[in-house]
Amino acid sequence: DTGVSQDPRHKITKRGQNVTFRCDPISEHNRLYWYRQTLGQGPEFLTYFQNEAQLEKSRLLSDRFSAERPKGSFSTLEIQRTEQGDSAMYLCASSRMGEQYFGPGTRLTVT
Amino acid sequence: AQSVTQPDIHITVSEGASLELRCNYSYGATPYLFWYVQSPGQGLQLLLKYFSGDTLVQGIKGFEAEFKRSQSSFNLRKPSVHWSDAAEYFCAVGGGGNNNDMRFGAGTRLTVKP
Repeated sequence: DTGVSQDPRHKITKRGQNVTFRCDPISEHNRLYWYRQTLGQGPEFLTYFQNEAQLEKSRLLSDRFSAERPKGSFSTLEIQRTEQGDSAMYLCASSRMGEQYFGPGTRLTVT
Repeated sequence: AQSVTQPDIHITVSEGASLELRCNYSYGATPYLFWYVQSPGQGLQLLLKYFSGDTLVQGIKGFEAEFKRSQSSFNLRKPSVHWSDAAEYFCAVGGGGNNNDMRFGAGTRLTVKP
């Protein structure tokens, strides 16, 4: 068990550019979650997958955000036309039975 | 809708002193309750969880928490704090067998004085 991994750990981009983050869950976990965390706040739920199916999306997930989990293993989160308000830590978590295990996060800075 | 309140934004304790971090939740049914710890620039690590049964749960690193339904609380405690416990602590509530709709509190930052 190598834990949840995320790549990259840090991303600096200019406003208007597209960015993509990757999450590799714990191998036997069938559920995968994306959260956003801003400074001084707890994580906020964005979306979740059960295997390859995206089953729930938060209203925080605007049309510029899209997530995929094509083979039920790793997942990608893409943000198109980034805005300064997208600057945050993006956390991925996976689970099998209830408790979620988190990755180290990707810190996005939009300049 | 479920929600979590952590009343203390920042707490400072001396090393070796006892610690209690407060958490109040709002949830319509039987909640699943969690405490996570986050070190700077890192992801969240699960300290302990409550699903059912004994209301006093033991976690890692010497932490424990007590579920009190009558007070809608799930406070985290440690009898003797170590300098390495300095971090941000998050309480979370989820529900149902899938636990997909988990909500986090805003966190409590713990500073440990030598």
